[in-house]
Amino acid sequence: NAGVTQTPKFRILKIGQSMTLQCTQDMNHNYMYWYRQDPGMGLKLIYYSVGAGITDKGEVPNGYNVSRSTTEDFPLRLELAAPSQTSVYFCASTLMLQGMNTEAFFGQGTRLTVV
Amino acid sequence: AQSVTQLDSHVSVSEGTPVLLRCNYSSSYSPSLFWYVQHPNKGLQLLLKYTSAATLVKGINGFEAEFKKSETSFHLTKPSAHMSDAAEYFCVVSDRRGGADGLTFGKGTHLIIQP
Repeated sequence: NAGVTQTPKFRILKIGQSMTLQCTQDMNHNYMYWYRQDPGMGLKLIYYSVGAGITDKGEVPNGYNVSRSTTEDFPLRLELAAPSQTSVYFCASTLMLQGMNTEAFFGQGTRLTVV
Repeated sequence: AQSVTQLDSHVSVSEGTPVLLRCNYSSSYSPSLFWYVQHPNKGLQLLLKYTSAATLVKGINGFEAEFKKSETSFHLTKPSAHMSDAAEYFCVVSDRRGGADGLTFGKGTHLIIQP
């Protein structure tokens, strides 16, 4: 049982390039989330999904896009990378069942630098 | 909307002395509450969780937390600090609504252990 797997772990992008951060979970969780964490700050929600085919914006969605074609996968797309997107990105998943949320399981993070 | 306040951005204790990290929350519903730990350059690991069972919750590495509904608090404690406890700690509240409000993070408390 791998839990939540994120790739890549590190990436350097040039301004204006694009990339996709991959996230896969094998726990059959319905909810998935993408967060960014900036130095000395907490986690800010970028996008989330409550199930396959359903996504919605979080607190800081500008410059990002997501899709959720399957329960397992929730990729995050960066278009036209900007220095402000330099951050550590975390994918997470939870199971929302009968009104209760299980604990969130996190990937190991992707450290992205835009130069 | 639910919210989480971690009352201290930094806490410094000596090795072998007690640890107290404070967390207050607000939620319109019966919440689930979690504490996560993040060591430098690592992902987030679940320390413990409260999901409406026993109000005193024991977690890993000797940590525990007590849910006090009347005080809307979920403070994290440990009787004796160890150098390996130095990390960032996040209090998280979750209620049944899911979605963008499904998981709300505090801003984190940086725990420093003095030798």
